[in-house]
Amino acid sequence: AQKITQTQPGMFVQEKEAVTLDCTYDTSDPSYGLFWYKQPSSGEMIFLIYQGSYDQQNATEGRYSLNFQKARKSANLVISASQLGDSAMYFCAMREAPLSNFGNEKLTFGTGTRLTIIP
Amino acid sequence: DVKVTQSSRYLVKRTGEKVFLECVQDMDHENMFWYRQDPGLGLRLIYFSYDVKMKEKGDIPEGYSVSREKKERFSLILESASTNQTSMYLCASSPGLAVKNIQYFGAGTRLSVL
Repeated sequence: AQKITQTQPGMFVQEKEAVTLDCTYDTSDPSYGLFWYKQPSSGEMIFLIYQGSYDQQNATEGRYSLNFQKARKSANLVISASQLGDSAMYFCAMREAPLSNFGNEKLTFGTGTRLTIIP
Repeated sequence: DVKVTQSSRYLVKRTGEKVFLECVQDMDHENMFWYRQDPGLGLRLIYFSYDVKMKEKGDIPEGYSVSREKKERFSLILESASTNQTSMYLCASSPGLAVKNIQYFGAGTRLSVL
């Protein structure tokens, strides 16, 4: 079973509109972390935002916010007031809490959503 | 700022060649990772290292090996390159003991095996 599911392969959004990128996850661990990364055409993966499973509030970083619905196991990324520079691939990722100490750094990535902002 | 540097952006090799992909980080991070990225498959972990000379297999280690002789450098080795190893390779590092433990990535190496 997929641990991270991103159901939108591609999205086209008008500049200045808000965007929601979907991410659902599957884990039985009570402790986990969720990440969003942006990958522009240059190739580098850029960290955007993090949500811990025990965090009481939804994470926010500037124009990025994470709509965390724990019961539904969803962690959607919301970009407010989209800009042309937001055009990129976006990846959702999860880190689970393992039994050993040395495995808890592993991230599992979704297949990504390609976002295109239209002027 | 964290800097993760991959030695090559583009690499073209022939089938059967031994290939070295080098990665250096400048933030004294404990953990380093090698991922492979293919269209429609996202990123898949090949190997990671949590200390010098230590390594752990990821999800797709077959056909690859790694070396970490110094804390700042993590090398991915393709002992005998094959065409199905044509891909984008991304290196990452993370601090180790931190709540978020964010992974920081290099710019990637696009490898073509002919």
